[in-house]
Amino acid sequence: GQSLEQPSEVTAVEGAIVQINCTYQTSGFYGLSWYQQHDGGAPTFLSYNALDGLEETGRFSSFLSRSDSYGYLLLQELQMKDSASYFCAVSYNTDKLIFGTGTRLQVFP
Amino acid sequence: GAGVSQTPSNKVTEKGKYVELRCDPISGHTALYWYRQSLGQGPEFLIYFQGTGAADDSGLPNDRFFAVRPEGSVSTLKIQRTERGDSAVYLCASSLKAPGEALWTDTQYFGPGTRLTVL
Repeated sequence: GQSLEQPSEVTAVEGAIVQINCTYQTSGFYGLSWYQQHDGGAPTFLSYNALDGLEETGRFSSFLSRSDSYGYLLLQELQMKDSASYFCAVSYNTDKLIFGTGTRLQVFP
Repeated sequence: GAGVSQTPSNKVTEKGKYVELRCDPISGHTALYWYRQSLGQGPEFLIYFQGTGAADDSGLPNDRFFAVRPEGSVSTLKIQRTERGDSAVYLCASSLKAPGEALWTDTQYFGPGTRLTVL
């Protein structure tokens, strides 16, 4: 089946940089998205990559390498409010998103 | 403008009962999605509507689950003969995705979810 792999947990301190990796199965791949979800909250869209390279949006950047079936989310200048779960999600040649199991980021002062 | 809303926010029911979960998408969004999220997991796709029709219901786990969107706006997810394993947060999302457009061309906006607990 179609599955994604990402680390279960990452910890960092305020002001640091953290990278959350995601690997996926290639067949039918269209694009890779990233969503943020705070405890008890709704997932919110962060970024999308369809082509190889880096997409930058403020403190957050996302990277994709289609040849390696790999992407990552880069969070810079970490703030306490960035503590949340981060999900990669893949669009295959269907109308649905397949989500990873999520990476829980804890930011410490 | 208002975001995606879902009611109720919490629903506790007994095994074997019938439940309905409601989703109000963002006005003008033609695409509507239902997902289910268990603790510690990512959202799991259930069904996708484009307008009034279910374009993809491949994620519905069995025939106890059914969803409708009769006027192309509000959607209701219906679960018959609930089981304890149905306990989860049910999320709804909407987007401006047009028919035939690739899914990835548009952002999905999620509602806060309905937490369903089956005792």
